[in-house]
Amino acid sequence: DIQMTQSPSSLSASVGDRVTITCRASQNVYSYLNWYLQKPGRAPKLLIYGASNLQSGVPSRFSGSGSGTDFTLTIHSLQPEDFATYFCQQSYSTPSITFGQGTRLEI
Amino acid sequence: QVQLVESGGALVKPGGSLRLSCAASGFKFNDYYMSWLRQAPGKGLEWVSYISSRSSSSHNADSVKGRFTISRDNAKNLLYLQMDDLRVEDTGIYYCARPQQPLTHDAFDIWGQGTTVTVSS
Repeated sequence: DIQMTQSPSSLSASVGDRVTITCRASQNVYSYLNWYLQKPGRAPKLLIYGASNLQSGVPSRFSGSGSGTDFTLTIHSLQPEDFATYFCQQSYSTPSITFGQGTRLEI
Repeated sequence: QVQLVESGGALVKPGGSLRLSCAASGFKFNDYYMSWLRQAPGKGLEWVSYISSRSSSSHNADSVKGRFTISRDNAKNLLYLQMDDLRVEDTGIYYCARPQQPLTHDAFDIWGQGTTVTVSS
């Protein structure tokens, strides 16, 4: 299976900050990389698909970039509702898709 | 609206069985591959099983191979996960999820609310 490693595992930030989360794949996943946000007690929500495509309804302060093995999720100007856990997921190696371990974004 | 609703989670002893259900509505269910994913308490997400739109193929994660069986009833818009020989490490929240595009197993844009499975003696 392809291993996905996120960094950092947790980070503290303030409203209005710009934040970057990194995801590294153990082998080339091209642009088959997706990002999710999850709040406590809730199901994950798709933010970015295909490494850089914003899912419908997701605010434009979220952006994704990268290809191959290295990817980033950037949140420009953090809002209070953005404090949550973020996961990356590769969908290149189907059916065995795999997720990163998560990055907890705290105030 | 587009919706997935899971049910069937419970407390079960190690070695026991359980069947989860996922009711789909608001979209053409038989156009989509469907998956089950899970999340152990305080942990990350793990893909468990997937089934093609017409049930012609299915795949399980190695961690559940030989113990879990995914199936679907397109006439009733239902997805199932039969879980046998349950282990303590199967404890978690189980989600059914739909991919963004028909006939793909890619980004999941629709998730159910989850159903909790607890395996404990």
